[in-house]
Amino acid sequence: GQQLNQSPQSMFIQEGEDVSMNCTSSSIFNTWLWYKQDPGEGPVLLIALYKAGELTSNGRLTAQFGITRKDSFLNISASIPSDVGIYFCAGQLSGGSNYKLTFGKGTLLTVNP
Amino acid sequence: EPEVTQTPSHQVTQMGQEVILRCVPISNHLYFYWYRQILGQKVEFLVSFYNNEISEKSEIFDDQFSVERPDGSNFTLKIRSTKLEDSAMYFCASSLRGQQPQHFGDGTRLSIL
Repeated sequence: GQQLNQSPQSMFIQEGEDVSMNCTSSSIFNTWLWYKQDPGEGPVLLIALYKAGELTSNGRLTAQFGITRKDSFLNISASIPSDVGIYFCAGQLSGGSNYKLTFGKGTLLTVNP
Repeated sequence: EPEVTQTPSHQVTQMGQEVILRCVPISNHLYFYWYRQILGQKVEFLVSFYNNEISEKSEIFDDQFSVERPDGSNFTLKIRSTKLEDSAMYFCASSLRGQQPQHFGDGTRLSIL
């Protein structure tokens, strides 16, 4: 099946720093999504990307859909303590009745105040 | 903001027993999903459901699993005879249409003893 490689596995940064994480795949996706998961909660949607090359922002978050449709990155600018959590990329190859999400293994972000 | 709700938040069950996990998707959404997350691992797709039937299922979703939408609001996942390896967080998700972003509930932690 399709596999997503997400990196880095974990990051430890100082408050105020920018951070970048990315996902790559051996096969294409039609949609890339980025979710954040806090302990004991479900994934919360941050950004959805639908077109190759698309660059989308949501506050301090910026994500891009790679031109080859096989990768995506997420940037967080000026990090704050509440950015702590696990960030997951997810790819969707939609077609027919196939809308399942394939998730990466996540990036654990720790922000030191 | 509308949200997906799941009950119970934690379910402890003896191996071999049946368990039913319940979800109330966002009210106007048409596509429903179950995912699971084994502790420390990535989120994995189990099944998608549309128009009162399963549209796709993964290898994990074997004959011990079933889903049902018994009325206009609930969406359930039943595990007929639980095994130790079924212990995981189970997330319900819904989307307005297949191509649109999936919104997740906070999950049910299933512990099999």
